[in-house]
Amino acid sequence: SSELTQDPAVSVALGQTVRITCQGDSLRSYYASWYQQKPGQAPVLVIYGQNNRPSGIPDRFSDSSSGNTASLTITGAQAEDEADYYCNSRDSSGNHLVFGGGTKLTVL
Amino acid sequence: EVQLVESGGGLVQPGGSLRLSCAASGFSFSSYSMNWVRQPLGKGLEWVSYINSDNDTIYYADSVKGRFTISRDNAKNSLYLQMNSLRDEDTAVYYCARTRWYIGSPYFDNWGQGTLVTVSS
Repeated sequence: SSELTQDPAVSVALGQTVRITCQGDSLRSYYASWYQQKPGQAPVLVIYGQNNRPSGIPDRFSDSSSGNTASLTITGAQAEDEADYYCNSRDSSGNHLVFGGGTKLTVL
Repeated sequence: EVQLVESGGGLVQPGGSLRLSCAASGFSFSSYSMNWVRQPLGKGLEWVSYINSDNDTIYYADSVKGRFTISRDNAKNSLYLQMNSLRDEDTAVYYCARTRWYIGSPYFDNWGQGTLVTVSS
């Protein structure tokens, strides 16, 4: 079982805002990173640390955290944002890394 | 351009062994920590193992500890995963990923395209 918990599926209307959450005790101590994965492709980093986006990632992607919950927000979702999203961090012991179970985002 | 290219996947019988390789280029490989991450077909990502740049800090997921060994050869810009005593549940696409750190929190900024390992009789 994963120490980071994500909702299995979320949907959003085109152009609207959606939030994908990741819960886990280790998030009180460590930052989450977020990955987008489209079918048949390798994951792509979209957010890390304190709301940092790698070059090439649109600024409609942002994140925030509070307590044991990290949230990835897509403001003005586009059709190309439809994908699986995974959070990742260290576990509570600090010497394991862990992924959330993933959230399938559908853009309606 | 950062490139990570995995190889070595294939079909192996339960109890067998396989060695995966990840060839790195486009960056100073010896300066970065690396990870192996796997993904059973149709399922989520699972972290497998971590090795730091100096080869002196290594972590394993509980599911592979004692069976898998991560290593690297900085002179050859290569990462390896020796997988022994393979089980059906090890069947997955295996990715290598470059790791960076943000105030003690890891993130994987570059991934290979993966290599498929199938464990079946």
